Amino acid sequence: QKEVEQNSGPLSVPEGAIASLNCTYSDRGSQSFFWYRQYSGKSPELIMSIYSNGDKEDGRFTAQLNKASQYVSLLIRDSQPSDSATYLCAVDTGRRALTFGSGTRLQVQP
Amino acid sequence: KAGVTQTPRYLIKTRGQQVTLSCSPISGHRSVSWYQQTPGQGLQFLFEYFSETQRNKGNFPGRFSGRQFSNSRSEMNVSTLELGDSALYLCASSSDYAQETQYFGPGTRLLVL
Repeated sequence: QKEVEQNSGPLSVPEGAIASLNCTYSDRGSQSFFWYRQYSGKSPELIMSIYSNGDKEDGRFTAQLNKASQYVSLLIRDSQPSDSATYLCAVDTGRRALTFGSGTRLQVQP
Repeated sequence: KAGVTQTPRYLIKTRGQQVTLSCSPISGHRSVSWYQQTPGQGLQFLFEYFSETQRNKGNFPGRFSGRQFSNSRSEMNVSTLELGDSALYLCASSSDYAQETQYFGPGTRLLVL
């Protein structure tokens, strides 16, 4: 079983819709959770961080964490074509060693 | 603040050679982590340095090594290059506070022929 699992996609949504990206993790000791966005040929760029159960909102982005279910999600409201990228879920057990999922490719159709 | 910088951005080497990659963290950040990204394996943790000491190491062979200098700049070295070492090598820096975010540099793309 992979430590961090994501659906590879592609997830295709129309412009203006809500995109929902999901991630599960296996290590119950995980303390910090991150969503990074990576455009083709570029390095990962931080979108959201979340550390405690519940929702965290930042602009069009909402991260949700459920430690009991070992589940993290990212909602993107009013999706734009510029949001088309690969979204990487990453978890950290506190050792500064991020474990990444394989990423979900999001396509926003104009 | 300037972001994480990495040099060189691109490298072509042949099998058996060695390579050294450099990373300068965000000013004030003392933790530097290195990652390898390949299409097949995704993003994988190599090692993390803080105050010139390696604190954590991923599951990579001993051909992969690194060091950190007193100014927090870090280098990683890969000896006896193999074709499978072709990858994007990413450096990330963070402060040492708990739950701190890692910020990635642009990466060094290494091609081994």
